[in-house]
Amino acid sequence: KAGVTQTPRYLIKTRGQQVTLSCSPISGHRSVSWYQQTPGQGLQFLFEYFSETQRNKGNFPGRFSGRQFSNSRSEMNVSTLELGDSALYLCASSPGQGQNTEAFFGQGTRLTVV
Amino acid sequence: AQSVTQLGSHVSVSEGALVLLRCNYSSSVPPYLFWYVQYPNQGLQLLLKYTTGATLVKGINGFEAEFKKSETSFHLTKPSAHMSDAAEYFCAVSEGGSYIPTFGRGTSLIVHP
Repeated sequence: KAGVTQTPRYLIKTRGQQVTLSCSPISGHRSVSWYQQTPGQGLQFLFEYFSETQRNKGNFPGRFSGRQFSNSRSEMNVSTLELGDSALYLCASSPGQGQNTEAFFGQGTRLTVV
Repeated sequence: AQSVTQLGSHVSVSEGALVLLRCNYSSSVPPYLFWYVQYPNQGLQLLLKYTTGATLVKGINGFEAEFKKSETSFHLTKPSAHMSDAAEYFCAVSEGGSYIPTFGRGTSLIVHP
């Protein structure tokens, strides 16, 4: 079974630009969550999508948005990039229902804003 | 609300020594507890998890953790450290029914030869 795939692995963007990150979950998983990881703040939850609907949302500004497609693949978009958005962005997939709440993580996308 | 505290941002041990990484949690309902490991520039990999049942949980790579409800702890141990264990370790808690775990700040394990 293929794992969670995130593309691209590395990105360099300029302040003010926007960026789109992609995540393909494990086959059969309907929940996709996004996290931002920085040395100063640790792992912070951005949002979770389940069956194309945003089910949970963290405390991030509206510049951060996401969506999920019918095949459960998810994209995350950040507009008007700031230097502080430089981070490792992790995607995690899970079945999203039932008793198994284990999250499976992708390798992440390293975003550098210059 | 759920929260996780990992004591010690860095833990240093010698190869072959006992590894003990501490995790305390707070949760208003019976929790699900997890330990993840992260190698440089990689995602998180599940080491072990506790949901219900036996409180001593065995995971991959020789790690284990014990759920102690009275102490609200879920400490991670390994009898003998190996150089390949050097990584960042995260404890996480999710309250029953929640699919969004809350993560601790992480503990960097350093293994000396």
